[in-house]
Amino acid sequence: KQEVTQIPAALSVPEGENLVLNCSFTDSAIYNLQWFRQDPGKGLTSLLLIQSSQREQTSGRLNASLDKSSGRSTLYIAASQPGDSATYLCAVSPFFFMDSSYKLIFGSGTRLLVRP
Amino acid sequence: EAGVTQFPSHSVIEKGQTVTLRCDPISGHDNLYWYRRVMGKEIKFLLHFVKESKQDESGMPNNRFLAERTGGTYSTLKVQPAELEDSGVYFCASSQTGFHNNEQFFGPGTRLTVL
Repeated sequence: KQEVTQIPAALSVPEGENLVLNCSFTDSAIYNLQWFRQDPGKGLTSLLLIQSSQREQTSGRLNASLDKSSGRSTLYIAASQPGDSATYLCAVSPFFFMDSSYKLIFGSGTRLLVRP
Repeated sequence: EAGVTQFPSHSVIEKGQTVTLRCDPISGHDNLYWYRRVMGKEIKFLLHFVKESKQDESGMPNNRFLAERTGGTYSTLKVQPAELEDSGVYFCASSQTGFHNNEQFFGPGTRLTVL
């Protein structure tokens, strides 16, 4: 059974700092991994998707890496800004042979606060 | 291009009543997913439609939940009768098969409170 864990649960950093959010999963048989951002009372915004065959994806100040063999992904945020304050969620899509569900299994998230 | 929309944004009902949630996916997306987050827990998968067919309903908690996707467009999720433990936020997501590795796009969610 696939389980996703995110550490730390909460993080507070001063503006301008570079930071890393961690995600681990128990089963390396995945189709892809997505990082999302959720603002309070809002839906989920997709940040980056990494296919199982990829090692990393970049979008602006965000860089996500994937090490499938060790069951780990990291989300690197460069030069953090107060507007980056939100909850960051990691989700994996388990791979099942002959099954095209593509459902996502979520971690509990990391709540990030960037202080001005 | 409009994103995934959900209606209502909030619903407050009493135990034993019926509630129907609606999701309109991104136009052209054949995959539609329902998820929910109950208090203090992770977001959990409920079910997956491909067009109008249920591909995977392994996450549906019990037979009080009924999902439909008539015509392969919008979807409804009905809870009947509602129980206290059904309170939470219900999210809908959609994706297009074969597009960017089936990246899922989420709606704003419906917050359901059962009193």
